Amino acid sequence: AQTVTQSQPEMSVQEAETVTLSCTYDTSESDYYLFWYKQPPSRQMILVIRQEAYKQQNATENRFSVNFQKAAKSFSLKISDSQLGDAAMYFCAYRTGGADGLTFGKGTHLIIQP
Amino acid sequence: DGGITQSPKYLFRKEGQNVTLSCEQNLNHDAMYWYRQDPGQGLRLIYYSQIVNDFQKGDIAEGYSVSREKKESFPLTVTSAQKNPTAFYLCASSIGLQGQETQSFGPGTRLLVL
Repeated sequence: AQTVTQSQPEMSVQEAETVTLSCTYDTSESDYYLFWYKQPPSRQMILVIRQEAYKQQNATENRFSVNFQKAAKSFSLKISDSQLGDAAMYFCAYRTGGADGLTFGKGTHLIIQP
Repeated sequence: DGGITQSPKYLFRKEGQNVTLSCEQNLNHDAMYWYRQDPGQGLRLIYYSQIVNDFQKGDIAEGYSVSREKKESFPLTVTSAQKNPTAFYLCASSIGLQGQETQSFGPGTRLLVL
């Protein structure tokens, strides 16, 4: 079974600084997809960024970027120029190329210090 | 606006009672999913469905049942066999079941046991 591990239960960063959230995963599949979701206090799950395993280029979405290390099975999220609205739980998730749902990590609580 | 609606926002269950959580989507998505979220945990997959009248068990299906009579609707019943039902329940949908397809989430239902 696939597993996703987020080793940082909580992270804190000063507003406007950069922070990196860690995620590792375990799989024997070659075709898979990785995601970062944000869950603010409203508890609405919001997709932040997505990475296809077959792509070597790291995905970026405005201030959000990933460092995808396929051999190391690592998928970290970098948030640049942190804003107060970035405060939330961040979940790393994995999905195979075939079917079924997402496998989630336990999340990292990100605190933004003003 | 297209989206996913879940009702009710809060639900209370008495011992031995079955309760049903509603999930409706107007995104014309084929695939729908139910996840459970416990405090300090990531989301875990309960059931998913690719097409009408077809669904599959996820990682934690015991004590739950679903139906998919319409494309837009995927209700979840928490049965009396589920001994620890207190949790936050999230419904999601995607265009299909392929791995690259992004899942959109509803706002969730909080289930509490009286």
